[in-house]
Parts: sequence; structure tokens; C-alpha cells
Amino acid sequence: GQNIDQPTEMTATEGAIVQINCTYQTSGFNGLFWYQQHAGEAPTFLSYNVLDGLEEKGRFSSFLSRSKGYSYLLLKELQMKDSASYLCAVHPNTDKLIFGTGTRLQVFP
Amino acid sequence: DAGITQSPRHKVTETGTPVTLRCHQTENHRYMYWYRQDPGHGLRLIHYSYGVKDTDKGEVSDGYSVSRSKTEDFLLTLESATSSQTSVYFCAISGPGDYGYTFGSGTRLTVV
Repeated sequence: GQNIDQPTEMTATEGAIVQINCTYQTSGFNGLFWYQQHAGEAPTFLSYNVLDGLEEKGRFSSFLSRSKGYSYLLLKELQMKDSASYLCAVHPNTDKLIFGTGTRLQVFP
Repeated sequence: DAGITQSPRHKVTETGTPVTLRCHQTENHRYMYWYRQDPGHGLRLIHYSYGVKDTDKGEVSDGYSVSRSKTEDFLLTLESATSSQTSVYFCAISGPGDYGYTFGSGTRLTVV
């Protein structure tokens, strides 16, 4: 079967660092994606990992461990505009992405 | 901008009526997808297409049908709408070299 787990909600303070974890069990693996989704809007691409290790892109970084079926998204220097849902998605050996239920992040001043 | 549009953006319909949602792309991408998004469930795949007249079912396809007669258009039809189909529907496209999907703006459907 296919299963992707991530926390439902997280809170953090402006300027802080937050780590959003994602664990997955899928029949095959061709990459892991993180998307950001603001309320009432479409998901937008944040990051992509296919090999183990850390991918850094500005304030956002994403880590992957294929042997552990684990990824995290790290957000630094949090801003109010980072309040959104963050979706973890896995690309198994098919043409389809499988999504987790998403983590709603609230950033407080 | 992103080359993918959905219509309508909002729709209210009555139980038992047929409803068709449209996804239009200008990217000439081969793959198109329909997802629904509900609280507590995330994005779930309804149907997808890998070319003109080539479609396949996703995990929540019951009560839905699709058609793709042209590369640029992918239609999702609710044959007889039910209240359980109240949801936000997203279309997505994927092409060669793409990282994942590009999503449309979504259609908020309410079945009363």
C-alpha cells in the first residue's frame, strides 16, 4: 500500500526555525516533493529530492533519507507569509504523485 | 501565466444533477490529472490522462468520469452529483523535465 504521514498542525514564532517531518511507505520511489498551499489557493512547488541529503533553496531546505523513508522541510527565519499548509508528496514507480494530508503551519508574531 | 485554467471557479448544484468541470492547458503537456481536496484527506487522485483518449482511474474514481478529446482539455463529469462530492477540485499538468505538477486554481463545488 501507499502511506504518507505528516503532522496535522504546527505553530511557530516569526523569525524562528521550524522543521516539518514526513514519513512514507510506498511501492517504489522516484522522488519526493514539497508543496506550499496558502488558504484558498493552489499548491505551488517548493522542493524536490530524489537522492539522499539536503537540498537548500534560500530560507527553505529539504532533506531525504530513502533508507528510512523520511524527509523533512526546514523553514528558517520564519515570516508571517509562511503561514500555509505544506504538502509532502511521493512519486512511486508510476505517473502519479501521492500526497500526504498536509501540515498546517501557523506563524505568530 | 502558468498555462493552466479551470472553469468554473465556483459552482453550487443540486443533488442528482450532472456537473462538468473543465481544465484547459496551453503547455501541450501529455499528462493531466484531477484531484479532490478535503479536510483530513489531503489531495486524492480521481482520474488522470496520459494522452488524448487515454485515461485511467485514481483512488476515488467512483461517481466520476473523464474525457480528453484534445491535448489541451481534460473534462471531469459528475454523472449525478451527491453531497459527498462537495469538495475543492484541482486539475494538474505534468510535462517532460517538470518537477512534479503545476496546479490550476481549483474549482469549489458545493452540492446541496
